[in-house]
Amino acid sequence: GAGVSQSPRYKVAKRGQDVALRCDPISGHVSLFWYQQALGQGPEFLTYFQNEAQLDKSGLPSDRFFAERPEGSVSTLKIQRTQQEDSAVYLCASSLGRTEGEQFFGPGTRLTVL
Amino acid sequence: SQQGEEDPQALSIQEGENATMNCSYKTSINNLQWYRQNSGRGLVHLILIRSNEREKHSGRLRVTLDTSKKSSSLLITASRAADTASYFCATDGGTGGFKTIFGAGTRLFVKA
Repeated sequence: GAGVSQSPRYKVAKRGQDVALRCDPISGHVSLFWYQQALGQGPEFLTYFQNEAQLDKSGLPSDRFFAERPEGSVSTLKIQRTQQEDSAVYLCASSLGRTEGEQFFGPGTRLTVL
Repeated sequence: SQQGEEDPQALSIQEGENATMNCSYKTSINNLQWYRQNSGRGLVHLILIRSNEREKHSGRLRVTLDTSKKSSSLLITASRAADTASYFCATDGGTGGFKTIFGAGTRLFVKA
């Protein structure tokens, strides 16, 4: 595919359920980012991967959030025991290089926790 | 917490007018980027300006950076209805880490 894809596009979960959000970055992109975006706000950084290595997870709000990119391509963001405050759009972005540069964003997954 | 703060929060102009949005940040940076987000295309990169650059142009976009004031501005000339979107500045934090920090955004509405 030409761009970053994310699935599912929409997810409704009951409080306490676990969810898994998938990101397919652009092929060959080294860097992968996850963000959380609340309504009316800018994206908030969650975590960063360089290939399969998770080099920065300082933005993960709690230990209920876990991300992986085991083969350096597809990434999964998992949220355990979801809470209402986890409701947001989760964005994935990839970039070609290892440091700075244009990030290509996916369409996001809108998570609603009831 | 977000580093960048855009000003104004919202802006409404007529088609053909220029739109100027400002961004302030708190720590030193290596580069600053501007992104646009609308419901149709999601978040799209517009332009990157490095800390040693003062001005950069791309089509109808002009970005300035003043590192002494820790601020940047985005000018869109001859605006079109299709420019209606939210505009965000994003910085790298300058600490050698990998975090990208977005501001809260300016919501631009261009009236046809």
